[in-house]
Formats: sequence, structure tokens, C-alpha cells
Amino acid sequence: GENVEQHPSTLSVQEGDSAVIKCTYSDSASNYFPWYKQELGKRPQLIIDIRSNVGEKKDQRIAVTLNKTAKHFSLHITETQPEDSAVYFCAASQGYGQNFVFGPGTRLSVLP
Amino acid sequence: NAGVTQTPKFQVLKTGQSMTLQCAQDMNHNSMYWYRQDPGMGLRLIYYSASEGTTDKGEVPNGYNVSRLNKREFSLRLESAAPSQTSVYFCASSEIGGSSYEQYFGPGTRLTVT
Repeated sequence: GENVEQHPSTLSVQEGDSAVIKCTYSDSASNYFPWYKQELGKRPQLIIDIRSNVGEKKDQRIAVTLNKTAKHFSLHITETQPEDSAVYFCAASQGYGQNFVFGPGTRLSVLP
Repeated sequence: NAGVTQTPKFQVLKTGQSMTLQCAQDMNHNSMYWYRQDPGMGLRLIYYSASEGTTDKGEVPNGYNVSRLNKREFSLRLESAAPSQTSVYFCASSEIGGSSYEQYFGPGTRLTVT
């Protein structure tokens, strides 16, 4: 089955700096890769996602890149702000209505 | 729209007791999911239902059963609770929206088994 690894497990950055979180997956059949943000005590919420036919996707300060050959994808957050502090999860799936496998999460702290 | 709702919010069980966690969504989504979240372990899929009338095992199905009662409701049952099932349980639903399969999560149920 699919296995998703995520690094680093914790990340501290200064406000205004960039943050990068990396994930690798094992199943070449996976074709959908979302990123979720979970603030303390709250439910996870989607921040960005990418399909396997796209190499990069950007939404304001957030971007995701995908390397299908190497089976890894990354989340990039630029100009970090204190409200970006949260736990971020990557996931991999073979598509709609299919199994979802999440990574273990990265706790991002943005220091003022 | 309430989105995804879960009941109860909190529950304490003794080992061996049974209970059902309820989940409902009002977004007319076809797919629904049950996850558990343990500290440092991320979200692990227990069961999912791609559409009304179908259910499939996820990564950690042992000790659980599910019922897709109708398109709106997807329940999770613990027949004989064990301390290892102490966790936060999230229900989610999704639908195809363009190129996205965004999952919408409920607020979670915090379960403690003593």
C-alpha cells in the first residue's frame, strides 16, 4: 500500500522568511496530492492541492511542486506570518473516492 | 450549510463498552471518510465510502465497523472499545470540484477509553 513520509517534523522560521516542507510517496499510481493545515484544536483544512499532470501550482504565498519521477512533492510558503503557525499534513491518493494516506505532519512555528 | 457535523464531541468509555459515532454532511457529497488522529501520527484512514451503498477498509480498520446509512450519513461503530482506541476521530466528505477532491472535515470527536 501507499506510504507517505514527511520532513521535517518541526520547523521554526522567522516572520517574513520562507518555509519548505517535503513529502515522498511510494505508490506510483497516486495522482492527487493535497496539503492540509490544522490549527491547534481545530479540524484540518485544505490549503492547496495538485494533480499528477501538473508540475507546480501557486496560490498567493503558497505553492506546491511535484516531481513524479522521484515521487516527491513539496509545500512552499513565502513571506511567512504568525498566523501560518500550525501543523501541515501532506497526503496522497489515487483519486476521487479512493484511499487517502496522510503524512505524519510538520509543526511550523513562525517566530515574530 | 452546517457542512460536516459529528456527534458526540466528547466521550469516555470503559474497556469493552460499545458506541457509535455519528457523522452527517449537507453538501450532497458522494464520498465520506473516517479518520483517527493520534499525537504525532497524523491522520489515519479507518474506513471510507466512495458512494452510498459502498464501504472500503482504510489503513487501520481493525476494531471498527461502519454503516453508510444514506448519502448524508456515515457512522462508525466500536463494538468492544479498547484503550488503544483512545483518539480524536474525524469524519470527512468530498466531491469532485474541477481538479480538486477537497475533503471537508467535521469538528471531531474526542474519545477516551479507560
